[in-house]
Amino acid sequence: AQKITQTQPGMFVQEKEAVTLDCTYDTSDPSYGLFWYKQPSSGEMIFLIYQGSYDQQNATEGRYSLNFQKARKSANLVISASQLGDSAMYFCAMREPPSNTGKLIFGQGTTLQVKP
Amino acid sequence: SQTIHQWPATLVQPVGSPLSLECTVEGTSNPNLYWYRQAAGRGLQLLFYSVGIGQISSEVPQNLSASRPQDRQFILSSKKLLLSDSGFYLCAWSVIRVNTQYFGPGTRLTVL
Repeated sequence: AQKITQTQPGMFVQEKEAVTLDCTYDTSDPSYGLFWYKQPSSGEMIFLIYQGSYDQQNATEGRYSLNFQKARKSANLVISASQLGDSAMYFCAMREPPSNTGKLIFGQGTTLQVKP
Repeated sequence: SQTIHQWPATLVQPVGSPLSLECTVEGTSNPNLYWYRQAAGRGLQLLFYSVGIGQISSEVPQNLSASRPQDRQFILSSKKLLLSDSGFYLCAWSVIRVNTQYFGPGTRLTVL
């Protein structure tokens, strides 16, 4: 069965520094997609970044990058130059087969607090 | 551009009362639609998804139901709410081959 694991319940980072949020996954499907979402205190889930299993390069979106290590089955999110507005809960997710349903399974999340 | 709406934003209901949460998507056709529930400080639990009008798949047995009467409308219902139905309900949409899900603002439901 597919599974997403986020082992860090909470993280602290100093403003302007970089932080890495861990995510490991388990799947036997050769084709899969990995996602990161941000959930601020307002509750809305905001899509940050996507990595396909066949993508050769790590995905990047502005200050967000995904450190994709396929052999280790990890998809860590790296946030560079942290800002106070980055304080939120972050979820890693994986697309479940069959791909036409678009179903995602989510990890339990990591709460990030950025210190001024 | 696509937008997704959910209402109401917050709801307080007594145990045993009915429920109807509505979600609508604008700016896209034939989306996949999803209902999630999130307990405080926890991850998301997929409740229902739909790949087309009238097509509903249930992920978790419960006293909730879902319907999709129109292409871009998804409704979550209950005939009699339980205390355990309290939580944050999120609706999301995606399109085939892209699969990124985009979420609505959510409904915070408290059952007393």
